[in-house]
Formats: sequence, C-alpha cells, structure tokens
Amino acid sequence: DQQVKQNSPSLSVQEGRISILNCDYTNSMFDYFLWYKKYPAEGPTFLISISSIKDKNEDGRFTVFLNKSAKHLSLHIVPSQPGDSAVYFCAASALYQGAQKLVFGQGTRLTINP
Amino acid sequence: DTGVSQNPRHKITKRGQNVTFRCDPISEHNRLYWYRQTLGQGPEFLTYFQNEAQLEKSRLLSDRFSAERPKGSFSTLEIQRTEQGDSAMYLCASGGSEQYFGPGTRLTVT
Repeated sequence: DQQVKQNSPSLSVQEGRISILNCDYTNSMFDYFLWYKKYPAEGPTFLISISSIKDKNEDGRFTVFLNKSAKHLSLHIVPSQPGDSAVYFCAASALYQGAQKLVFGQGTRLTINP
Repeated sequence: DTGVSQNPRHKITKRGQNVTFRCDPISEHNRLYWYRQTLGQGPEFLTYFQNEAQLEKSRLLSDRFSAERPKGSFSTLEIQRTEQGDSAMYLCASGGSEQYFGPGTRLTVT
C-alpha cells in the first residue's frame, strides 16, 4: 500500500529553467509534508516543509505547493542549477494526530543539464 | 552542532552473523528515528524513540531486530542472524516535525 507516490522516476531540466517535482498521497490523515534531497552515499537532506493549513511555502529558490482536495503536492525549483541534480523524495506525516513517522515516496531523479 | 552521525558507514557481513549500528543524534533532539532504504525505494520507517522510550515499531522490525537508546542520547540498532534480505542502507534521523538524517550505514550480507 503505497500511501505516498512519486510517479515520475526521473526528470531532466535545462539549467536556469523551472524544475517541477510532483507527489500524490492517499491518506487523508496526513497533515505535514516535506521534501528531501539525496545525493549518492549520503543521507537525505531536508529542503522545505508545509503544513496542511497552508497551500504554499517558499524558501529561496524552493517553493512547495499543497492541493489538499487533490491530495497533491509539488516542489518548484527556480532557477534550476547543476547542483540541484539529485534524487528528491517527498514525505508525509500525520503530525498533528501524534504520529511521528515519515512516509516517503519512491523518489524522482532530477538531472539539470547545462 | 555537527549533525547526525552514524557508525560504521559500511558493513559487510556473512549471513547468520550479528551486526550492530550506532547513531548519535543532534544533541538537543529528544526524538530519534531509524529507517531502512533499499535500492529504488524511499526510506521506510522502522522505529522511533522519545528520550529513552521506544514509542513505535514498524512491522518491518522483525524479532531479529532490536533497538535501544539507553540514556536518551545515542542509539544502537542490532540485527541478529542476518539474512541477505537485510542488505540495505540503515538511516538514523533526529528532530521533530522536520527530521534530520545521518549519512547512513550500508549493510551488505553475503
């Protein structure tokens, strides 16, 4: 039962353009969402999060959008840079229900081309 | 603040042997989490501690797995009688609403 899904295994974007990574979830109890970036042989690095009471959160080049009715979130990276090439994971928790564990998607490999 | 550290970074063991991994969380964090990641998948939750109390365990954590956090600081994850299916990256994280991950321990069971 895959409660968090990233349906695009890979994405290729030209440097300077916008990268949009998508994530869908099925569990309506999820109320806190996060994006992580992972380089090979390293642990995931936290990027940005959003609570279910918001529909947008922005931090520098990174913006996360949440559409609760569609159970969909997306991460926008503008402008994309070569160092953004990595695997990106979305994750969700039922934080305000007292559940601490994160449920992750399968990841999307982003490649930024010069 | 040096972040979450994990030791060893790599472990190769023969099937049937026991292995133990260590995690040192960010010092001010009282919550510590263990996850497992296999190739092509996202991390999967195993267990978490609040201080020294183990508050939740996944059904992935068979009785061959045991985790401890005796003084509410570092944690250990032991796998007894390892099997080839245990080969994975074992990740530790600390934090609260946002969890900060260590570099992981890659286990290979031959």
